[in-house]
Amino acid sequence: DTEVTQTPKHLVMGMTNKKSLKCEQHMGHRAMYWYKQKAKKPPELMFVYSYEKLSINESVPSRFSPECPNSSLLNLHLHALQPEDSALYLCASSQDGGGNWGYTFGSGTRLTVV
Amino acid sequence: AQRVTQPEKLLSVFKGAPVELKCNYSYSGSPELFWYVQYSRQRLQLLLRHISRESIKGFTADLNKGETSFHLKKPFAQEEDSAMYYCALGPLSGGYNKLIFGAGTRLAVHP
Repeated sequence: DTEVTQTPKHLVMGMTNKKSLKCEQHMGHRAMYWYKQKAKKPPELMFVYSYEKLSINESVPSRFSPECPNSSLLNLHLHALQPEDSALYLCASSQDGGGNWGYTFGSGTRLTVV
Repeated sequence: AQRVTQPEKLLSVFKGAPVELKCNYSYSGSPELFWYVQYSRQRLQLLLRHISRESIKGFTADLNKGETSFHLKKPFAQEEDSAMYYCALGPLSGGYNKLIFGAGTRLAVHP
């Protein structure tokens, strides 16, 4: 298995809802990442997990809460989002925290906040 | 400051023409540089990494530290090369890599 799988592919949520995005990889990668991509913009880093520990939080608002239950899974819990949080949320993984071999990206979850 | 600049939003060429997508970076350390490609309705994929000096789908990229550039080149463009191309800089941050993307260049190859 050489893929990063993200679910759901699409999500519409209200500003008072709580939802979660899921990401899974079975390549034995020990670093996993959440990126946010707005339309016609490059991906922007949100969080980095390395060996299941949060190592980078790019000053992301607390309404986004990451979780890494084990080395294969990465979740992003969403609560009280704003319409401007609507974007494509990408998960990625790399062999280790060094990332020298590049990242493998999932196809993303397209989130719409209404 | 760590920054990646891709000066062209759109590069439009005809099939068979040479292609060069420009990328310049700003980083005080030893850079790790990558090219990623995103075809229409597909996920972001790693195309090249400078440490491997490989050629993928006919594309090559050479790191020029003097000019702080990592331009992507292909001698003869194909229609299937049409996609969004992102140059990315991977400096170490706290011991862990953190990819910084350029704004991207859309390559359109016309028949």
